[in-house]
Amino acid sequence: GESVGLHLPTLSVQEGDNSIINCAYSNSASDYFIWYKQESGKGPQFIIDIRSNMDKRQGQRVTVLLNKTVKHLSLQIAATQPGDSAVYFCAEKWRTALIFGKGTTLSVSS
Amino acid sequence: EAQVTQNPRYLITVTGKKLTVTCSQNMNHEYMSWYRQDPGLGLRQIYYSMNVEVTDKGDVPEGYKVSRKEKRNFPLILESPSPNQTSLYFCASSLGPQGTEAFFGQGTRLTVV
Repeated sequence: GESVGLHLPTLSVQEGDNSIINCAYSNSASDYFIWYKQESGKGPQFIIDIRSNMDKRQGQRVTVLLNKTVKHLSLQIAATQPGDSAVYFCAEKWRTALIFGKGTTLSVSS
Repeated sequence: EAQVTQNPRYLITVTGKKLTVTCSQNMNHEYMSWYRQDPGLGLRQIYYSMNVEVTDKGDVPEGYKVSRKEKRNFPLILESPSPNQTSLYFCASSLGPQGTEAFFGQGTRLTVV
């Protein structure tokens, strides 16, 4: 079936570096994508979203890029901080459902 | 404060003993859903509701029931829990399935022995 996946299960960076978390999706008809952050013991928290009619969207320290040609989504975090350590999920809206990837664990060391 | 509240946060129960996990949101959202989160499998949708008295199956509905009698509440019912339903459960709400982000509850960790 259709699925959303992430390239790497873990990513380790130094504080102050820029982080890039990738996601490959397979459902070309999906028109809305979201990135979530999940800290230990908490529910997923919205970070940023993007619609399929856009290639790029920026938030505070975060940027989402969408490449529909290769069905690829990425989340860029600028000046990564220890508080950014968490599991990051991409998700696509498919009909009435959110389909989640398996997550990338970001570890930030000081 | 906008929030989705689940109860209980932790629950250990025995096989076959009916249980209900409650979920309530204070944002007047129409769309609510339940997910389970398992290691290596990510978040999978169990059931969703597009409005009061409108519910439908998600990806993994077997062994679960839901109801939506009021807009703010969306309980998850396990009529006869089994050990394979041991998982971390999340309730979420949003303005609509095609709308903006979903707000998630804090999660309910269920263990069925």
